[in-house]
Amino acid sequence: EDQVTQSPEALRLQEGESSSLNCSYTVSGLRGLFWYRQDPGKGPEFLFTLYSAGEEKEKERLKATLTKKESFLHITAPKPEDSATYLCAVQDTGGATNKLIFGTGTLLAVQP
Amino acid sequence: ETGVTQSPTHLIKTRGQQVTLRCSSQSGHNTVSWYQQALGQGPQFIFQYYREEENGRGNFPPRFSGLQFPNYSSELNVNALELDDSALYLCASSRGAETQYFGPGTRLLVL
Repeated sequence: EDQVTQSPEALRLQEGESSSLNCSYTVSGLRGLFWYRQDPGKGPEFLFTLYSAGEEKEKERLKATLTKKESFLHITAPKPEDSATYLCAVQDTGGATNKLIFGTGTLLAVQP
Repeated sequence: ETGVTQSPTHLIKTRGQQVTLRCSSQSGHNTVSWYQQALGQGPQFIFQYYREEENGRGNFPPRFSGLQFPNYSSELNVNALELDDSALYLCASSRGAETQYFGPGTRLLVL
């Protein structure tokens, strides 16, 4: 069964203190791995899609990487506005739908 | 902004009632997926519509049903509401199997 596990559940950083969030996944065949950012009470905002091991993508202070078993979201010199829940999701190549299977997220708090 | 809109933003219902939630997809997208997100959890897949046909369903009972219209907008209907149906309901649109873009969600509270 497809499964996504994110760690840590919560992370508190000082402004400028870099860190990484982890997403471990189990799928029969990976179509894509997605990172989203979600602010309280709002819909998830798309950040990155990764398709194959070794792929990396960057956007401002965020960099996402992918291996065959996990993905990392690296946050460099974070600012308070980076505070949010970061969700990881996978799509399986099997089945007729392109449904997303989500982890429970990492709640990031960046203090000034 | 993704261009995906949902209505209403908030809704309060009582147990046993029925509710209809609406979603307008982003221009050029032909696929709509619905998710339920309980507090502190990741979104859970309810079902997906592609060109007005249901294209897959998650582990939700038949009282959760939906429609997709020719303009690719969509409705989620929930009958016989239960307390556990209280959640944020998210709609996401995409071009087939490509990246899904989410709307702002509808917060449903069942009393």
